Amino acid sequence: EIVMTQSPGTLSMSPGERATLSCRASQSVTSNYVAWYQQKPGQAPRFLMYNVSIRGAGIPDRFRGSGSATDFSLTITRLEPEDSAVYYCQQYGSFPLTFGGGTKVEIK
Amino acid sequence: QVHLQESGPGLVRPSETLSLTCSVSGSSISGPYYWGWIRQSPGKGLEWIGTIYHSGTYYNPSLESRVTMSLDTSKNQFSLNLRSMTAADTAVYYCARGTGYDIWGQGTMVTVSS
Repeated sequence: EIVMTQSPGTLSMSPGERATLSCRASQSVTSNYVAWYQQKPGQAPRFLMYNVSIRGAGIPDRFRGSGSATDFSLTITRLEPEDSAVYYCQQYGSFPLTFGGGTKVEIK
Repeated sequence: QVHLQESGPGLVRPSETLSLTCSVSGSSISGPYYWGWIRQSPGKGLEWIGTIYHSGTYYNPSLESRVTMSLDTSKNQFSLNLRSMTAADTAVYYCARGTGYDIWGQGTMVTVSS
């Protein structure tokens, strides 16, 4: 099983700042099949990104994914108040599918 | 537009079996996609339960002994059965499309209590 470890646990930042969220896999992710999700309280997760860096439909270009093998990151280039949420990474390159524990982004 | 909707009981007694259904519109479950169940315990992260597609299933090893998933192509639905429920299974249960999940249902809260 590939363990996905996200850091930091919480990011507290101001609007307009750049946020970088890290996701590390315990072993290389097949075909770089990594996805990112955004979840706000009381809502289902929202699909942001697949194959590391391909944005889903309607996802603003301020969300950018990068990385390969075991180290991945999600960058939000200019934080907006509505970006306040928990962000999860997930590997889907091999079963069992696994999620990271999440990074909470707080907007000051 | 693709839409997924979970349905099932909100309350299950300990030791009983949870049965949930995911109704899919705008996408055929007989097509090329995989379909999955994910859950989230209160205040916790996301846990993959299992994945089903036309040729088979994959289950989380930690739940495999208690889980069964199935497809009903006539109704364009897929289902989850989770046996021997305990309080630790209390969670919001989501159905979703794919393996990188691009479409999610709204989720359904399931509480295990006598």
